[in-house]
Amino acid sequence: GAGVSQSPSNKVTEKGKDVELRCDPISGHTALYWYRQSLGQGLEFLIYFQGNSAPDKSGLPSDRFSAERTGGSVSTLTIQRTQQEDSAVYLCASAWAGSGDTQYFGPGTRLTVL
Amino acid sequence: AQSVTQLGSHVSVSEGALVLLRCNYSSSVPPYLFWYVQYPNQGLQLLLKYTSAATLVKGINGFEAEFKKSETSFHLTKPSAHMSDAAEYFCAVARSGNTPLVFGKGTRLSVIA
Repeated sequence: GAGVSQSPSNKVTEKGKDVELRCDPISGHTALYWYRQSLGQGLEFLIYFQGNSAPDKSGLPSDRFSAERTGGSVSTLTIQRTQQEDSAVYLCASAWAGSGDTQYFGPGTRLTVL
Repeated sequence: AQSVTQLGSHVSVSEGALVLLRCNYSSSVPPYLFWYVQYPNQGLQLLLKYTSAATLVKGINGFEAEFKKSETSFHLTKPSAHMSDAAEYFCAVARSGNTPLVFGKGTRLSVIA
């Protein structure tokens, strides 16, 4: 079946603008994760959704970052008032709910803030 | 808190030689351990995972890793490198199977003809 998809694949924006990044998880996966990959910080966890539970937002770097997941499926990561340090590749992953399950990653969205 | 240390940001091997990528972890609970591979401009692909079953885990593309609790290690090996193995490899740990992953900094593998 289809894997995790993300859009757009590339996004260039100006400092101070808001951006929205979209993730379509694998159908039926109840867990969804956002990670950020940057040269200086490596791969960092941002936020985690599990079913109908309150999301784990412990990895969000500032209150400019937020995410929602509608209908237990599609997720949108929003970055407000973007800064140059937000430039990175944003990766989404999804997984079944069972213990030990694999997280399947999308191809990522490369965000460049000018 | 969990953490992962990957020794060597860049490893270079000759085609046909042994590949050894090192990973050490720290975890307060029995961990779930993963190796992912990332090819240029692509997402992460799971190579293998340890979930408290067999300590020697076999993955895709001929890779395997051995969980050694006494050494808190989960090194990745492949007997014979192929040019197509050139990529970035990430070791990751999770407190349980469905919790967010904590990644190492990654090791870039180069394969020389």
